[in-house]
Amino acid sequence: AQSVTQLDSQVPVFEEAPVELRCNYSSSVSVYLFWYVQYPNQGLQLLLKYLSGSTLVKGINGFEAEFNKSQTSFHLRKPSVHISDTAEYFCAVIPLRYTNAGKSTFGDGTTLTVKP
Amino acid sequence: KAGVTQTPRYLIKTRGQQVTLSCSPISGHRSVSWYQQTPGQGLQFLFEYFSETQRNKGNFPGRFSGRQFSNSRSEMNVSTLELGDSALYLCASSPGQGPAGYTFGSGTRLTVV
Repeated sequence: AQSVTQLDSQVPVFEEAPVELRCNYSSSVSVYLFWYVQYPNQGLQLLLKYLSGSTLVKGINGFEAEFNKSQTSFHLRKPSVHISDTAEYFCAVIPLRYTNAGKSTFGDGTTLTVKP
Repeated sequence: KAGVTQTPRYLIKTRGQQVTLSCSPISGHRSVSWYQQTPGQGLQFLFEYFSETQRNKGNFPGRFSGRQFSNSRSEMNVSTLELGDSALYLCASSPGQGPAGYTFGSGTRLTVV
């Protein structure tokens, strides 16, 4: 079984400051890793994913994440945030043996609040 | 390209009733997954359908069921509603082969009173 721990439930930050949202996972098998963003009253939107290759993955809206296999982490970063980045962010994993997106395991989410 | 469409957006039902939620995936996507989102439990996987067959299932009671039609549209049914079923129900579509990640709909907010 897999589990995902998002280490911070809430992250407040000022506009134009850098931010890091932390995600650790536990799995007995290799996994694919994802970050999603959820704006109020909307569904989740895929930000980026790590499947293989370079451990630094770039996504939409200027976000990037780094996969660290030894620390089983997949932290999300942005060098300069905007007010519009205020949202809830979810880290998710699925085992490599699944050739589909079904049965992903999600973390509990991190609420990013960007203040002016 | 149209996104994932969920209907209705909001529902209020009484305990003991049943409800059917609908999801139309992105054109060409053959996999539809359903999730329940609540403040206390977060995102919990309900089930996944691929080519009209349930391919994966989460740990929910039998009151929760689903189906998928030949055009990939999916419905989710909850019978004998309980107060604890109040949640945002999210549908997510994906191509069905390969870890492409999900495209989510905006969800159906179900309130059981």
